Amino acid sequence: AQTVTQSQPEMSVQEAETVTLSCTYDTSESDYYLFWYKQPPSRQMILVIRQEAYKQQNATENRFSVNFQKAAKSFSLKISDSQLGDAAMYFCAYRSGFGGDDKIIFGKGTRLHILP
Amino acid sequence: GAVVSQHPSWVICKSGTSVKIECRSLDFQATTMFWYRQFPKQSLMLMATSNEGSKATYEQGVEKDKFLINHASLTLSTLTVTSAHPEDSSFYICSALRDRVAYEQYFGPGTRLTVT
Repeated sequence: AQTVTQSQPEMSVQEAETVTLSCTYDTSESDYYLFWYKQPPSRQMILVIRQEAYKQQNATENRFSVNFQKAAKSFSLKISDSQLGDAAMYFCAYRSGFGGDDKIIFGKGTRLHILP
Repeated sequence: GAVVSQHPSWVICKSGTSVKIECRSLDFQATTMFWYRQFPKQSLMLMATSNEGSKATYEQGVEKDKFLINHASLTLSTLTVTSAHPEDSSFYICSALRDRVAYEQYFGPGTRLTVT
Protein backbone atom coordinates (compact mmCIF):
# COMPACT_ATOMS: atom_id res chain seq x y z
CA ALA A 1 0.00 0.00 0.00
CA GLN A 2 1.10 3.52 -0.72
CA THR A 3 1.87 5.95 2.06
CA VAL A 4 2.59 9.66 2.21
CA THR A 5 4.59 11.15 5.06
CA GLN A 6 4.91 14.78 6.03
CA SER A 7 7.30 15.05 8.93
CA GLN A 8 6.80 18.74 9.68
CA PRO A 9 3.50 19.35 11.51
CA GLU A 10 4.09 23.11 11.56
CA MET A 11 6.46 25.59 10.00
CA SER A 12 6.92 29.31 10.09
CA VAL A 13 8.52 31.66 7.61
CA GLN A 14 9.04 35.37 7.45
CA GLU A 15 7.04 37.20 4.83
CA ALA A 16 8.97 37.48 1.52
CA GLU A 17 11.28 34.65 2.50
CA THR A 18 11.47 31.17 1.03
CA VAL A 19 10.26 28.02 2.74
CA THR A 20 10.42 24.35 1.82
CA LEU A 21 7.88 21.78 2.94
CA SER A 22 8.98 18.16 2.96
CA CYS A 23 7.15 15.08 1.78
CA THR A 24 8.19 11.50 1.27
CA TYR A 25 6.13 8.68 -0.09
CA ASP A 26 6.33 4.98 -0.47
CA THR A 27 5.11 3.03 -3.45
CA SER A 28 6.02 0.09 -5.61
CA GLU A 29 4.37 1.64 -8.64
CA SER A 30 6.33 3.31 -11.39
CA ASP A 31 3.51 5.43 -12.77
CA TYR A 32 1.81 7.87 -10.43
CA TYR A 33 0.97 11.49 -9.72
CA LEU A 34 2.01 13.67 -6.82
CA PHE A 35 0.23 16.77 -5.64
CA TRP A 36 0.45 19.57 -3.15
CA TYR A 37 -2.87 20.92 -1.94
CA LYS A 38 -3.46 24.03 0.11
CA GLN A 39 -6.26 24.27 2.65
CA PRO A 40 -6.72 27.83 3.95
CA PRO A 41 -8.94 28.67 6.93
CA SER A 42 -11.97 28.51 4.64
CA ARG A 43 -11.15 24.78 4.33
CA GLN A 44 -11.57 24.80 0.57
CA MET A 45 -8.99 22.45 -0.92
CA ILE A 46 -6.91 24.16 -3.57
CA LEU A 47 -4.52 22.39 -5.91
CA VAL A 48 -1.16 24.11 -5.73
CA ILE A 49 0.94 21.97 -8.02
CA ARG A 50 1.07 18.52 -9.55
CA GLN A 51 3.85 16.31 -10.82
CA GLU A 52 3.65 13.33 -13.09
CA ALA A 53 6.17 10.69 -12.07
CA TYR A 54 7.29 10.05 -15.63
CA LYS A 55 8.37 13.65 -16.03
CA GLN A 56 11.90 14.37 -14.92
CA GLN A 57 11.44 18.12 -14.98
CA ASN A 58 10.24 19.61 -11.71
CA ALA A 59 6.86 21.29 -11.89
CA THR A 60 6.62 25.03 -11.31
CA GLU A 61 3.65 27.31 -10.79
CA ASN A 62 4.63 30.92 -10.27
CA ARG A 63 6.11 31.15 -6.75
CA PHE A 64 5.60 27.44 -6.11
CA SER A 65 7.99 24.77 -7.27
CA VAL A 66 8.75 21.21 -6.36
CA ASN A 67 11.88 19.16 -5.96
CA PHE A 68 10.91 15.71 -7.18
CA GLN A 69 13.44 13.01 -6.39
CA LYS A 70 11.93 9.81 -7.73
CA ALA A 71 14.65 7.45 -6.57
CA ALA A 72 14.54 8.88 -3.08
CA LYS A 73 10.73 9.06 -3.17
CA SER A 74 10.84 12.64 -2.08
CA PHE A 75 8.56 15.47 -3.19
CA SER A 76 9.19 18.79 -1.48
CA LEU A 77 7.40 22.07 -2.09
CA LYS A 78 9.25 25.35 -2.22
CA ILE A 79 7.38 28.58 -1.76
CA SER A 80 9.30 31.66 -2.78
CA ASP A 81 8.55 35.22 -1.72
CA SER A 82 6.11 34.00 0.91
CA GLN A 83 2.96 36.05 1.27
CA LEU A 84 0.46 36.34 4.10
CA GLY A 85 -2.10 34.58 1.91
CA ASP A 86 0.10 31.51 1.80
CA ALA A 87 -0.73 30.76 5.43
CA ALA A 88 -2.62 27.46 5.35
CA MET A 89 -2.43 23.71 5.80
CA TYR A 90 -0.49 22.07 3.02
CA PHE A 91 -1.11 18.47 2.12
CA CYS A 92 1.12 16.30 0.02
CA ALA A 93 -0.83 13.68 -1.91
CA TYR A 94 -0.34 10.63 -4.10
CA ARG A 95 -2.40 9.01 -6.79
CA SER A 96 -1.73 5.95 -8.90
CA GLY A 97 -1.17 6.39 -12.60
CA PHE A 98 -3.82 5.88 -15.24
CA GLY A 99 -5.41 2.47 -14.97
CA GLY A 100 -4.73 2.30 -11.28
CA ASP A 101 -6.77 3.36 -8.30
CA ASP A 102 -8.44 6.73 -8.71
CA LYS A 103 -8.31 7.72 -5.09
CA ILE A 104 -5.86 10.18 -3.61
CA ILE A 105 -3.81 9.40 -0.52
CA PHE A 106 -3.06 12.42 1.62
CA GLY A 107 -0.27 13.06 4.06
CA LYS A 108 -1.06 14.43 7.50
CA GLY A 109 -0.33 17.97 6.49
CA THR A 110 1.98 20.81 7.43
CA ARG A 111 0.57 24.00 8.87
CA LEU A 112 2.43 26.97 7.46
CA HIS A 113 2.53 30.25 9.37
CA ILE A 114 3.65 33.45 7.66
CA LEU A 115 5.24 35.98 9.97
CA PRO A 116 4.73 39.63 8.99
CA GLY B 1 -12.51 26.48 -13.85
CA ALA B 2 -14.54 23.52 -12.72
CA VAL B 3 -16.83 24.07 -9.76
CA VAL B 4 -18.09 21.61 -7.20
CA SER B 5 -20.72 22.67 -4.72
CA GLN B 6 -21.92 21.13 -1.50
CA HIS B 7 -25.19 21.67 0.28
CA PRO B 8 -25.66 22.45 3.04
CA SER B 9 -22.46 24.15 4.09
CA TRP B 10 -23.39 23.72 7.72
CA VAL B 11 -25.98 21.57 9.43
CA ILE B 12 -26.98 20.80 13.00
CA CYS B 13 -29.09 17.76 13.71
CA LYS B 14 -30.27 15.89 16.74
CA SER B 15 -28.87 12.56 17.75
CA GLY B 16 -30.76 9.71 16.11
CA THR B 17 -31.87 11.62 13.06
CA SER B 18 -30.52 11.36 9.51
CA VAL B 19 -28.98 14.10 7.45
CA LYS B 20 -28.27 14.25 3.74
CA ILE B 21 -25.36 16.14 2.16
CA GLU B 22 -25.34 16.88 -1.56
CA CYS B 23 -22.31 17.19 -3.81
CA ARG B 24 -22.79 18.64 -7.29
CA SER B 25 -20.44 19.21 -10.17
CA LEU B 26 -21.81 22.41 -11.66
CA ASP B 27 -20.11 22.65 -15.02
CA PHE B 28 -18.91 19.16 -15.83
CA GLN B 29 -19.97 15.57 -15.63
CA ALA B 30 -18.30 13.42 -13.04
CA THR B 31 -18.50 9.67 -13.28
CA THR B 32 -16.54 9.40 -10.07
CA MET B 33 -16.89 11.35 -6.86
CA PHE B 34 -15.17 10.90 -3.54
CA TRP B 35 -16.31 11.55 0.02
CA TYR B 36 -13.85 12.53 2.73
CA ARG B 37 -14.12 13.19 6.41
CA GLN B 38 -11.85 15.63 8.18
CA PHE B 39 -11.52 16.00 11.92
CA PRO B 40 -10.14 19.26 13.34
CA LYS B 41 -6.48 19.78 12.59
CA GLN B 42 -6.26 16.45 10.81
CA SER B 43 -5.92 15.28 7.25
CA LEU B 44 -8.65 14.18 4.90
CA MET B 45 -9.73 10.61 5.37
CA LEU B 46 -11.30 8.96 2.34
CA MET B 47 -14.61 7.38 3.24
CA ALA B 48 -15.82 6.08 -0.10
CA THR B 49 -15.58 6.29 -3.85
CA SER B 50 -18.84 6.91 -5.63
CA ASN B 51 -19.37 5.88 -9.24
CA GLU B 52 -22.41 6.95 -11.19
CA GLY B 53 -24.92 4.17 -11.56
CA SER B 54 -23.17 1.70 -9.32
CA LYS B 55 -22.66 0.99 -5.66
CA ALA B 56 -20.11 3.02 -3.77
CA THR B 57 -16.83 1.49 -2.71
CA TYR B 58 -16.21 2.07 0.98
CA GLU B 59 -12.86 2.26 2.67
CA GLN B 60 -12.02 -0.18 5.39
CA GLY B 61 -13.59 0.73 8.69
CA VAL B 62 -16.34 2.92 7.21
CA GLU B 63 -19.82 1.70 8.06
CA LYS B 64 -21.78 1.27 4.86
CA ASP B 65 -25.14 1.25 6.59
CA LYS B 66 -24.39 4.41 8.46
CA PHE B 67 -22.97 6.44 5.61
CA LEU B 68 -25.20 5.87 2.61
CA ILE B 69 -23.85 7.13 -0.68
CA ASN B 70 -25.90 7.52 -3.83
CA HIS B 71 -24.49 8.71 -7.14
CA ALA B 72 -27.69 8.93 -9.12
CA SER B 73 -26.51 11.18 -11.92
CA LEU B 74 -23.33 12.44 -13.51
CA THR B 75 -23.54 15.67 -11.56
CA LEU B 76 -24.88 14.63 -8.16
CA SER B 77 -23.73 12.42 -5.35
CA THR B 78 -25.30 12.36 -1.92
CA LEU B 79 -24.03 11.26 1.47
CA THR B 80 -26.66 10.39 4.06
CA VAL B 81 -25.55 10.01 7.64
CA THR B 82 -28.14 7.75 9.21
CA SER B 83 -29.00 7.67 12.90
CA ALA B 84 -26.41 10.34 13.55
CA HIS B 85 -24.54 10.46 16.85
CA PRO B 86 -22.30 13.16 18.32
CA GLU B 87 -19.21 11.23 17.21
CA ASP B 88 -20.34 11.70 13.60
CA SER B 89 -19.81 15.42 13.99
CA SER B 90 -17.12 16.34 11.52
CA PHE B 91 -16.29 18.20 8.34
CA TYR B 92 -17.31 16.30 5.22
CA ILE B 93 -15.73 17.10 1.87
CA CYS B 94 -16.58 15.75 -1.53
CA SER B 95 -14.55 15.87 -4.71
CA ALA B 96 -15.39 15.13 -8.32
CA LEU B 97 -13.18 13.64 -10.99
CA ARG B 98 -13.56 15.51 -14.26
CA ASP B 99 -10.96 13.82 -16.38
CA ARG B 100 -9.68 10.42 -15.41
CA VAL B 101 -6.76 10.47 -17.82
CA ALA B 102 -5.46 13.88 -16.86
CA TYR B 103 -6.72 13.29 -13.33
CA GLU B 104 -8.42 16.59 -12.82
CA GLN B 105 -10.13 16.41 -9.47
CA TYR B 106 -12.05 19.26 -7.91
CA PHE B 107 -13.10 19.65 -4.32
CA GLY B 108 -16.29 21.00 -2.85
CA PRO B 109 -16.20 23.60 -0.07
CA GLY B 110 -17.17 21.09 2.59
CA THR B 111 -20.07 20.59 4.99
CA ARG B 112 -19.78 20.99 8.72
CA LEU B 113 -22.03 18.53 10.55
CA THR B 114 -22.78 18.98 14.22
CA VAL B 115 -24.84 16.34 15.98
CA THR B 116 -26.31 17.37 19.32
